[in-house]
Amino acid sequence: KNEVEQSPQNLTAQEGEFITINCSYSVGISALHWLQQHPGGGIVSLFMLSSGKKKHGRLIATINIQEKHSSLHITASHPRDSAVYICAVTAVWGGGADGLTFGKGTHLIIQP
Amino acid sequence: DVKVTQSSRYLVKRTGEKVFLECVQDMDHENMFWYRQDPGLGLRLIYFSYDVKMKEKGDIPEGYSVSREKKERFSLILESASTNQTSMYLCASSLGGPGANYGYTFGSGTRLTVV
Repeated sequence: KNEVEQSPQNLTAQEGEFITINCSYSVGISALHWLQQHPGGGIVSLFMLSSGKKKHGRLIATINIQEKHSSLHITASHPRDSAVYICAVTAVWGGGADGLTFGKGTHLIIQP
Repeated sequence: DVKVTQSSRYLVKRTGEKVFLECVQDMDHENMFWYRQDPGLGLRLIYFSYDVKMKEKGDIPEGYSVSREKKERFSLILESASTNQTSMYLCASSLGGPGANYGYTFGSGTRLTVV
């Protein structure tokens, strides 16, 4: 069973700072997902990636398959980025549907 | 706008009651999932289904059952609710198929309190 570790668990930063959240996993995967959850809200999928790098607005996600590591970066952070960011992985396909294995999340607070 | 809809946002039930949590998706997705989310434990998979009438146990199926009679609807059933089932329950769906990697769409969650 895959183990997914995120760091840091909690992060408080000032508006405008460059933010990095890290995720590592223990065994091979077919895809890695970055998710965002606002307080009391549902979960929104930000990225799904299996190699390289993806960018959407001020968010950038990278993955290194050999090192089993991914990072989520936020440039020019804003208070509205305050949320819990969750890393999740999909196991290598085993012939049937499979759910995600989640990290415990990083609670990000951006102060004005 | 495609979505996953969970029937209740907040629910309070008594110990021993039979509880139904409903989830409906309008994206014609094959795969549907039920997770629970607890502080310090993160999200954990309860059950999933990759086709109508098919179901598979996840990591923590004890005390739960599921039903998928139609492709768009996946129900989570607590046969006899207990206080340790107080949690946030999240439904998700995705496209299916062997070797496929598709994104997931999540519902808004149901916060269940068992008293």
